[in-house]
Amino acid sequence: AQSVTQLDSQVPVFEEAPVELRCNYSSSVSVYLFWYVQYPNQGLQLLLKYLSGSTLVESINGFEAEFNKSQTSFHLRKPSVHISDTAEYFCAVRIMNRDDKIIFGKGTRLHILP
Amino acid sequence: DTAVSQTPKYLVTQMGNDKSIKCEQNLGHDTMYWYKQDSKKFLKIMFSYNNKELIINETVPNRFSPKSPDKAHLNLHINSLELGDSAVYFCASSQSGALSPPLHFGNGTRLTVT
Repeated sequence: AQSVTQLDSQVPVFEEAPVELRCNYSSSVSVYLFWYVQYPNQGLQLLLKYLSGSTLVESINGFEAEFNKSQTSFHLRKPSVHISDTAEYFCAVRIMNRDDKIIFGKGTRLHILP
Repeated sequence: DTAVSQTPKYLVTQMGNDKSIKCEQNLGHDTMYWYKQDSKKFLKIMFSYNNKELIINETVPNRFSPKSPDKAHLNLHINSLELGDSAVYFCASSQSGALSPPLHFGNGTRLTVT
């Protein structure tokens, strides 16, 4: 069965420090990979995605994620976080079978400390 | 000019009642979804419609009945509400195509059953 695992339910980090949010998936078929961000009292927004090509993908606000097929991981990183990055981050995979549905991880709350 | 809009934003009701949540998207997308986010932020797909046709129907109680009058609308009707139905319900849309398109989420409807 396909699944998405976010190992950390919450990650506290000081402002301007680097952060990594971990995501692992399991699937017997091809997948597309996503990171979504949910700010308080809002819906989810797409942060970045991997479909094919370069395994390192970047977002416009400084986040990046690297697809590692051998480790079935898609960890999200940012070299220097800001207070405004406080949010819930969801890793997701799109399973390329007949259902073509997106499965979300349980989310990681990024808590920025002043 | 909100892309995906849901109403109401908050819904408080008693057990046993019947309620509906409405969703409209003005993005011209052909696929719409309902997701349920529980108190632990876990996000799970409930239904997916493509051009008014049901595509995904997860193991959701039949008290939940989606209705899509046209491809821009996907409403969710819930009969005989139970305490466990309390959650945030998100509507989303996407455009089907060869490459995996992102989901566009509404801001959610917080349902509280007392």
